[in-house]
Amino acid sequence: QKEVEQDPGPLSVPEGAIVSLNCTYSNSAFQYFMWYRQYSRKGPELLMYTYSSGNKEDGRFTAQVDKSSKYISLFIRDSQPSDSATYLCAMKAAGNKLTFGGGTRVLVKP
Amino acid sequence: GAGVSQSPSNKVTEKGKDVELRCDPISGHTALYWYRQSLGQGLEFLIYFQGNSAPDKSGLPSDRFSAERTGGSVSTLTIQRTQQEDSAVYLCASSLAMDTEAFFGQGTRLTVV
Repeated sequence: QKEVEQDPGPLSVPEGAIVSLNCTYSNSAFQYFMWYRQYSRKGPELLMYTYSSGNKEDGRFTAQVDKSSKYISLFIRDSQPSDSATYLCAMKAAGNKLTFGGGTRVLVKP
Repeated sequence: GAGVSQSPSNKVTEKGKDVELRCDPISGHTALYWYRQSLGQGLEFLIYFQGNSAPDKSGLPSDRFSAERTGGSVSTLTIQRTQQEDSAVYLCASSLAMDTEAFFGQGTRLTVV
């Protein structure tokens, strides 16, 4: 079993809808959580960074961390076709490497 | 400001040759990571440098792979006697400190023919 599980999708939504993404993990030592967006043939771009449990909002993006359930989420409001990409969750324990989920492909249809 | 810079952006090499991939982290960043991403796949961890600590080399797939970080800044990933299965995008990331946000470069696309 992988340390970080992420549904590969694809997740297809109409423009303007809310995109809901999530990851589950098994390592209770993970404390730092990140979400990246990756367009085809580009490097991952950091969207959100969260420490420990709780919610964080930045523009159209909301990240949630529930450490008790080992579950993290990313919500994208008012989705646009330009949000079509692969979304990667990543997490780390203090002083350790970043561990990634396999990524979810999202397609926002005009 | 400048982000993480990787060079070359593309590299085609013959099987059996050695290659060197370079990563220039964001200035002042103490942590540096190397990952590899095969076509349509997730990110595979290779190696992690943090300040003056011994690097975490646990992800290097074989002894043909090595990496160094000189002066706490630029890093070079070397692959000796390349094989076709080494073909992938090699990504570098850096972060200001041990557990802060990590920023990625655009990667080096390596093709072994």
